[in-house]
Amino acid sequence: DAGVTQSPTHLIKTRGQQVTLRCSPKSGHDTVSWYQQALGQGPQFIFQYYEEEERQRGNFPDRFSGHQFPNYSSELNVNALLLGDSALYLCASSTGLSQYFGPGTRLLVL
Amino acid sequence: DAKTTQPPSMDCAEGRAANLPCNHSTISGNEYVYWYRQIHSQGPQYIIHGLKNNETNEMASLIITEDRKSSTLILPHATLRDTAVYYCIAGMIKAAGNKLTFGGGTRVLVKP
Repeated sequence: DAGVTQSPTHLIKTRGQQVTLRCSPKSGHDTVSWYQQALGQGPQFIFQYYEEEERQRGNFPDRFSGHQFPNYSSELNVNALLLGDSALYLCASSTGLSQYFGPGTRLLVL
Repeated sequence: DAKTTQPPSMDCAEGRAANLPCNHSTISGNEYVYWYRQIHSQGPQYIIHGLKNNETNEMASLIITEDRKSSTLILPHATLRDTAVYYCIAGMIKAAGNKLTFGGGTRVLVKP
């Protein structure tokens, strides 16, 4: 059983560009959450998707948006990239009481 | 999510038990205690969770005080591969709309 998978593993962008990150949840999981982790800090919650709708959102600007597809996979989109968006982006899937994380996508904004 | 307090770092000897404390004095009745660990630059790895009873799995044991205001994660025989940042979280992911709030965690260094 594959766990949570994310693509790409690494990405380099320049300021002002847009980026799309992808996540496939663990089999049987219907809820996907996205987190941003800056270097040396704990993950910060961005938002969560369930039944193709955003159910909860953390303190992130509208430049951060997402989508969930009927097969429960999800995308995170970030527009107008800033240097401060450089981070490890984590996807987590859950059902019931357990939440499992993917390996993350490391984004570098130059 | 209730706020948790953990020591920023701790060392332990390889082969010995590692006891990681966590304070969550404001935890509400329906919030669970979750433990994750993160090895350098990897995604957080789920370890264990509990509500009020002590829990054990193949990775660790979780001891929750009777008043639920604190807990201890026990790694019974620490190995060098257990070196990681350990996060204690009080929260609930029972239904859509719930999330986990990570703090700074405890940086554990297992020494030979």
